[in-house]
Amino acid sequence: EVQLEESGGGLVKPGGSLRLSCAASGFTFSAYAIHWVRQAPGKGLEWVSSISSSGRYIYYADSVKGRFTISRDNAKNSLHLQMNSLRAEDTALYYCVREGGGRYSYDYWGQGTLVTVSS
Amino acid sequence: DVVMTQSPLSLPVTLGQPASISCRSSQSLVYSDGNTYLNWFQQRPGQSPRRLIYKVSNRDSGVPDRFSGSGSGTEFTLKISRVEAEDVGVYFCMQGTHWPPTFGGGTKVEIK
Repeated sequence: EVQLEESGGGLVKPGGSLRLSCAASGFTFSAYAIHWVRQAPGKGLEWVSSISSSGRYIYYADSVKGRFTISRDNAKNSLHLQMNSLRAEDTALYYCVREGGGRYSYDYWGQGTLVTVSS
Repeated sequence: DVVMTQSPLSLPVTLGQPASISCRSSQSLVYSDGNTYLNWFQQRPGQSPRRLIYKVSNRDSGVPDRFSGSGSGTEFTLKISRVEAEDVGVYFCMQGTHWPPTFGGGTKVEIK
């Protein structure tokens, strides 16, 4: 069974940092691109960042570029999102999602980890 | 960025009746490989999104056949042939043709 389990969320002050992690199981992790997608409370979905299966290709939304860093460890089946210079508008549930079934198509989602940026 | 516009925002439906959700993109979603990367997701209350449909009309494994997707170019539709209580939630369309991937604002399906 494919599973994606996020962790690392919490309450942080504006300007602070957090490191999110995603533990994958039930599939060949190194064969899939993985993305982070976020959802602000009561709002819609926003793509944040993606990393190719090998880790060679990395992309960011303009809203987080220069502040967030995505990385993966295929030996440990894990994904990370280092979030620096956090802002109130980064407050959201962050989902780790697997790309499968086509270009930027998300076939499996984790349960999400909540990031709250507030003083 | 490609803007995905869904309608209606809210859709009250009677159990057993059909429902239809529209999604319009600001640019054609036909990719250079000939595929159209338009997906539909369902998000039940308190749950993560779940993909229902990919590449316009392909149903994911385990998705009931009362769900169907159609459309082309910039106009797409998700139809539920007979709404059941478990279909309550928010439905999102999403395009993967153009970078960055973008989502529609969502349509909330509720039972009358």
